[in-house]
Amino acid sequence: DAGVIQSPRHEVTEMGQEVTLRCKPISGHDYLFWYRQTMMRGLELLIYFNNNVPIDDSGMPEDRFSAKMPNASFSTLKIQPSEPRDSAVYFCASSLNTDTQYFGPGTRLTVL
Amino acid sequence: RKEVEQDPGPFNVPEGATVAFNCTYSNSASQSFFWYRQDCRKEPKLLMSVYSSGNEDGRFTAQLNRASQYISLLIRDSKLSDSATYLCVVSRGGSQGNLIFGKGTKLSVKP
Repeated sequence: DAGVIQSPRHEVTEMGQEVTLRCKPISGHDYLFWYRQTMMRGLELLIYFNNNVPIDDSGMPEDRFSAKMPNASFSTLKIQPSEPRDSAVYFCASSLNTDTQYFGPGTRLTVL
Repeated sequence: RKEVEQDPGPFNVPEGATVAFNCTYSNSASQSFFWYRQDCRKEPKLLMSVYSSGNEDGRFTAQLNRASQYISLLIRDSKLSDSATYLCVVSRGGSQGNLIFGKGTKLSVKP
């Protein structure tokens, strides 16, 4: 079975540009999570969805960040405009009504 | 106090050694506890859940002390392939699916 799929795997962009990260959760999972990982702050939850509805977005750093889940098999995390301090690895994870989360391979974002 | 606190390490041990990691958490309402493993430049993966009575999975033993809000992971007969960062993970009380990750403890097993 396919795991969580994320794209792109690497993204290098310039400050001010829009960045869109994509995630396909494991089929049948009803929870989807977006995390950001940096050396300084570790793994931080940004937002999570249950049955495509955002439940908690308190971790979203600011208005430059937005996330959508238009259907059960697709979610996006958008940063507009991007800043150098947004450079991090962004993980998407999904779970089936339990606390066990399955992570995608991550998107390594570099904002110059 | 940080929500989940771990010694960052690194722990450098020889093959065959026994090594223990500890973790403390601040939210007494947390109900679920896990250890995840993260290899360098890879995603975190579930290693094992932690149950109140303690549980074992092969060479790995996890313990939970709710009174002290303390979780431990013991690795026996360590292998080179155990080299990774071990993340202590705690559920945010009252919020299903919302997990708090520690920053991890780095383990390096040497030949």
